[in-house]
Amino acid sequence: DTAVSQTPKYLVTQMGNDKSIKCEQNLGHDTMYWYKQDSKKFLKIMFSYNNKELIINETVPNRFSPKSPDKAHLNLHINSLELGDSAVYFCASSHLAEETQYFGPGTRLLVL
Amino acid sequence: QKEVEQNSGPLSVPEGAIASLNCTYSDRGSQSFFWYRQYSGKSPELIMSIYSNGDKEDGRFTAQLNKASQYVSLLIRDSQPSDSATYLCAVNVRNSGTASKLTFGTGTRLQVTL
Repeated sequence: DTAVSQTPKYLVTQMGNDKSIKCEQNLGHDTMYWYKQDSKKFLKIMFSYNNKELIINETVPNRFSPKSPDKAHLNLHINSLELGDSAVYFCASSHLAEETQYFGPGTRLLVL
Repeated sequence: QKEVEQNSGPLSVPEGAIASLNCTYSDRGSQSFFWYRQYSGKSPELIMSIYSNGDKEDGRFTAQLNKASQYVSLLIRDSQPSDSATYLCAVNVRNSGTASKLTFGTGTRLQVTL
């Protein structure tokens, strides 16, 4: 009965590669988010989608491109991975009208 | 100045004591305030939300908000070893109809000792 799920859980890759992370929620929410948590545990929002429409787009390198095929899914594609991209990436979801966000288990990305 | 500030800790309290976690924020337009708990290697989990000045109690947890001082705190009574985690303060400045954009502090690590 996983509410917000992410795949993969761990991702180890070389600099310069392109990778994708997938997120799915079965809570019936209409809004989904991507957060990045760095090595100092600082959690920062990157993007948000509402009903497949991008509504929050923070200052993030163009190498990061989110895609929402439907309101239950939000993917994150990262091009030309850099060492500094190593972090835990969390997906979250909520109803637009509410503020409680539910987080997925995270994807631990390590760029070598 | 950071938007949401917390003491990183660790804050060490003995089992059964009251743990007091503090958070200050810079944006006076902030409307909603949240405390998330994050165990090591896990995702953040919402434990309290507060929207108006004063205290809000839920079991062993009490959130306190003072908008004039731009200060929000979390008290944990009868602290248990299972409360040992990082506590993240989050603040939302929300415009009507837009998404909930949470700004997080860096978290306070709480250690409850036996």
